[in-house]
Amino acid sequence: AQKVTQAQTEISVVEKEDVTLDCVYETRDTTYYLFWYKQPPSGELVFLIRRNSFDEQNEISGRYSWNFQKSTSSFNFTITASQVVDSAVYFCALSEAGAAGNKLTFGGGTRVLVKP
Amino acid sequence: EAGVTQFPSHSVIEKGQTVTLRCDPISGHDNLYWYRRVMGKEIKFLLHFVKESKQDESGMPNNRFLAERTGGTYSTLKVQPAELEDSGVYFCASSFERRGYNEQFFGPGTRLTVL
Repeated sequence: AQKVTQAQTEISVVEKEDVTLDCVYETRDTTYYLFWYKQPPSGELVFLIRRNSFDEQNEISGRYSWNFQKSTSSFNFTITASQVVDSAVYFCALSEAGAAGNKLTFGGGTRVLVKP
Repeated sequence: EAGVTQFPSHSVIEKGQTVTLRCDPISGHDNLYWYRRVMGKEIKFLLHFVKESKQDESGMPNNRFLAERTGGTYSTLKVQPAELEDSGVYFCASSFERRGYNEQFFGPGTRLTVL
């Protein structure tokens, strides 16, 4: 069975600080996808990134960066120089690969509060 | 292009009543998913449609929940009769049918409160 664990339930930082969100996953599949979604106060889930299990390159997109380490089954997310608009709940998720349209298994989410 | 829409945004009902949630996926998306988040817990998969067919309904909690997707367009999720533990946020998502790629676009969710 697949499982995603986000050990941090809530993180509070002051604006401009960096914040790292941890994500650890379990799967028996050799090929899978990992995702991060953001849920702002408006409620919708906003897609941030997808990573294939065979691609361990880290990725940077603006102030966001992701560190995928297959050896430790982790897919951590860092926000650099945080801003108030980054306040949201962030979810890490996992799905099987090999066939389109497979369900996502989510972690419990980490609430990030960025104070001005 | 319009995103995934859900109706209503909020619903407050009493235990024993019936509620129907609606999801309109992105046009052209064959895959449609329902998920829900019960207070304080993770978002959990309920079921998956490919066009009008149920591909996977392993996450449906019990037979009080009935999902339909007539004509392969919008979907409804009916809860009858509603129980207190059904309270939570129900998300719908859709994705294009493409092998090996699975970006799901989510709607804003329906917050269901059962009193």
